Amino acid sequence: AQSVTQLGSHVSVSEGALVLLRCNYSSSVPPYLFWYVQYPNQGLQLLLKYTTGATLVKGINGFEAEFKKSETSFHLTKPSAHMSDAAEYFCAVSDDFGNEKLTFGTGTRLTIIP
Amino acid sequence: GAVVSQHPSWVICKSGTSVKIECRSLDFQATTMFWYRQFPKQSLMLMATSNEGSKATYEQGVEKDKFLINHASLTLSTLTVTSAHPEDSSFYICSATRLGEGTDTQYFGPGTRLTVL
Repeated sequence: AQSVTQLGSHVSVSEGALVLLRCNYSSSVPPYLFWYVQYPNQGLQLLLKYTTGATLVKGINGFEAEFKKSETSFHLTKPSAHMSDAAEYFCAVSDDFGNEKLTFGTGTRLTIIP
Repeated sequence: GAVVSQHPSWVICKSGTSVKIECRSLDFQATTMFWYRQFPKQSLMLMATSNEGSKATYEQGVEKDKFLINHASLTLSTLTVTSAHPEDSSFYICSATRLGEGTDTQYFGPGTRLTVL
């Protein structure tokens, strides 16, 4: 069975500072990995995903994540936080056998301090 | 493109009544639609997967007679919570994969907040 752990249910960073949201997964097979963002009263929006190939994945809004198999991690980063980045972020995993089912982490609420 | 809507966005009902939630893909045809449930401060839990014209596939532990899913067209899926009870109060979210796209990308609706009194 797959699982996703997001360390820190709530992260606060100052505007302009580095954003680091942590995600660790467990999977018995090579995974597909995803980061989604949810703004208030809106649906989840895909930030980026890793399926195969380059382990550093770039997404929208300046975010990127690196797949580290040895650490079973897929941490999300952004060099400089903007006020508009304040939202809930979800890490998710699916297996790579064409399985559409996603297993989500519990989410991290990102607050940006002016 | 790839907008998914849900209706209603919130609903309050009395215990014992049934509630229907609609999920629509507004600008694309959906191959598969998913229904999730989210408890406060918890992750999204997949309830069921449905394809147009087929019976939904429910996850272990989800009562199919309580959570009826109908996927009548490539743009509409409905979730009916039958004989709702307070423990059914939750945030229900649907998603869809787009016809012609890889199945690893899901487009999510904004969710429906159900409160059962």
